[in-house]
Amino acid sequence: DAGVTQSPTHLIKTRGQQVTLRCSPKSGHDTVSWYQQALGQGPQFIFQYYEEEERQRGNFPDRFSGHQFPNYSSELNVNALLLGDSALYLCASSLPADSSGNTIYFGEGSWLTVV
Amino acid sequence: AQSVTQPDIHITVSEGASLELRCNYSYGATPYLFWYVQSPGQGLQLLLKYFSGDTLVQGIKGFEAEFKRSQSSFNLRKPSVHWSDAAEYFCAVGAQNYGQNFVFGPGTRLSVLP
Repeated sequence: DAGVTQSPTHLIKTRGQQVTLRCSPKSGHDTVSWYQQALGQGPQFIFQYYEEEERQRGNFPDRFSGHQFPNYSSELNVNALLLGDSALYLCASSLPADSSGNTIYFGEGSWLTVV
Repeated sequence: AQSVTQPDIHITVSEGASLELRCNYSYGATPYLFWYVQSPGQGLQLLLKYFSGDTLVQGIKGFEAEFKRSQSSFNLRKPSVHWSDAAEYFCAVGAQNYGQNFVFGPGTRLSVLP
C-alpha cells in the first residue's frame, strides 16, 4: 500500500520563476492538502482539495494555487517566487472527515530553494 | 485565533530515561489532537491522535498522550526513550468542520544521549 508520494524531492528555482509540485495521495484517499514548512518551524496549512475543488484555504497569497485531478492526485503551483518561499512543501491526504474524525497522512515533501 | 504552543524548543534526555513533551492549545471548537514526529529531512509520521472518549491515548513506538481539557493540554509521554527517538515532535490541533486545516505547534527537538 503506497503512502503519499511527492515529486520532485528537491529543486532550485530563481526569484520570479514559477514552480509546480506534484502529489499522489495514499491509496483510498480522496482529499488532499498542502502545507508549507519553513526551516525550524511547524507546517502551515496552504489549502485543501476535495472533489477537484479548493475547499479550504490558509493565509497564503494568490500566488499559491492548486489543482486536483479526477484520480485524486494534486499539484501545487507557486508563481513569482520569492526568497521567502524557500521551504519544505508537504502534501497530506485523508478520507473526507467523518464521525470518527479525520486523520491526515503526510508525504516526504518537496524541498524548494529559491535563489 | 487557533494556536498551539510547545514551550520546549529543545529537550535532551538520556537513553532509558522517561520523556514528557508539552503541548497547549487554544481552539474554539471541540479539538482533535495529534502528535507527529519528523526525522531530519523526512515527512511527518503520525504517532497518535485524540478525537473523543478515553483521555489517555496510546500510539506507536510506545508513546502515549493525555488530553486535559481543563488545562488545554495534550502532553506526550514515553516511559523509556530509545536513541532512535531523536527527532522533531509536533503537536497539532484540528476539528471536524475544519477538514485538513490543522494548526501545528513550532515543534520540540528531542536529543537522546547514549
